[in-house]
Amino acid sequence: DQQVKQNSPSLSVQEGRISILNCDYTNSMFDYFLWYKKYPAEGPTFLISISSIKDKNEDGRFTVFLNKSAKHLSLHIVPSQPGDSAVYFCAATQGGYQKVTFGIGTKLQVIP
Amino acid sequence: GAGVSQSPSNKVTEKGKDVELRCDPISGHTALYWYRQSLGQGLEFLIYFQGNSAPDKSGLPSDRFSAERTGGSVSTLTIQRTQQEDSAVYLCASSIGGGTGEQYFGPGTRLTVT
Repeated sequence: DQQVKQNSPSLSVQEGRISILNCDYTNSMFDYFLWYKKYPAEGPTFLISISSIKDKNEDGRFTVFLNKSAKHLSLHIVPSQPGDSAVYFCAATQGGYQKVTFGIGTKLQVIP
Repeated sequence: GAGVSQSPSNKVTEKGKDVELRCDPISGHTALYWYRQSLGQGLEFLIYFQGNSAPDKSGLPSDRFSAERTGGSVSTLTIQRTQQEDSAVYLCASSIGGGTGEQYFGPGTRLTVT
């Protein structure tokens, strides 16, 4: 039972355009959400997070939106750069408990 | 370095053999996690250590898998009688603690069972 779902396995975007990566979750107890980025042969690195008390969090070119009623979050990257090409994992946790549930990942390719 | 380190980076073993994977977390991080990523799959939670509390072993796929964390620092993941389906990248992560979920990952150990 996948509690965190990333339904798009891959995404291609032109450099300079917006990348939108989507994530859905089923567990209504999740209250903290994170995005990680992973390059080949490296471990994932934390990118940005959002608490369920917010609906938007922005950090430079990266913005995460949370729609609690739809149990949906998205990561926007504007403008996209070739160095953003990586696999992006959506993750969620609940109640301060540190067990984190990850999605399957979306592979983003930014075309120069 | 200051990051999470794992060894070995690659391990090829024959089916039926035991393997040990090592993780050195960031100094001062009280929480340590093991995940695995099989080909085409997401990150699968295996086990979580937090300070001196009993570990959360709920993700271990079978009793062939075990892990320990000595002295609240280094952790070893042991897989006994390896099977081909154990082939995956095993990732270790650590965090300060506090419930925000931000974890720092090591580069992983790629295990291949032949």
